[in-house]
Amino acid sequence: DGGITQSPKYLFRKEGQNVTLSCEQNLNHDAMYWYRQDPGQGLRLIYYSQIVNDFQKGDIAEGYSVSREKKESFPLTVTSAQKNPTAFYLCASSILPGSDEQYFGPGTRLTVT
Amino acid sequence: EDQVTQSPEALRLQEGESSSLNCSYTVSGLRGLFWYRQDPGKGPEFLFTLYSAGEEKEKERLKATLTKKESFLHITAPKPEDSATYLCAVQAGTYKYIFGTGTRLKVLA
Repeated sequence: DGGITQSPKYLFRKEGQNVTLSCEQNLNHDAMYWYRQDPGQGLRLIYYSQIVNDFQKGDIAEGYSVSREKKESFPLTVTSAQKNPTAFYLCASSILPGSDEQYFGPGTRLTVT
Repeated sequence: EDQVTQSPEALRLQEGESSSLNCSYTVSGLRGLFWYRQDPGKGPEFLFTLYSAGEEKEKERLKATLTKKESFLHITAPKPEDSATYLCAVQAGTYKYIFGTGTRLKVLA
């Protein structure tokens, strides 16, 4: 079955540590996205990528970094510079950049204490 | 300013009691409106895409409609398994998707 996988499901880190969230897709989609979801707020875009080795900042990129070395993979690193990292992180993909609906992974809940 | 507002925030229905969820939007240049279902602790599941006013899409007990200012998600004779948060999003640019905060639906048996 095609889909998007994110790992781990839950992640706990101490303040000041960097952490990397995994996102893999086997849908052969060109575009991939990272969103953050907080209670009472809509999803907010962190980064997106149109093609391999290319990515762009979204609305809330500060304190985050990404890479796109393979079409299937789009990992997100939450750095110590992110002031409020505790959140539910969602990876998504779409067939073509900026086209139509996005398909989401199951999410990673990150807790930083 | 581009904006998406969903109402109500929460809705409790008895099984079989039909209702509608609302998604109002203000956006310059709508490229598409999307409905998703999200279960607790999981990622959103795609339901529908609507592109132009007057368009309707159906899937089982769900029907989505679109006007120039809002979209409705009609739920006919809901069942407890329809309980979830329903998210609305609009595409306002190539990579600009604006999400609402969702409507939490609870269907009681």
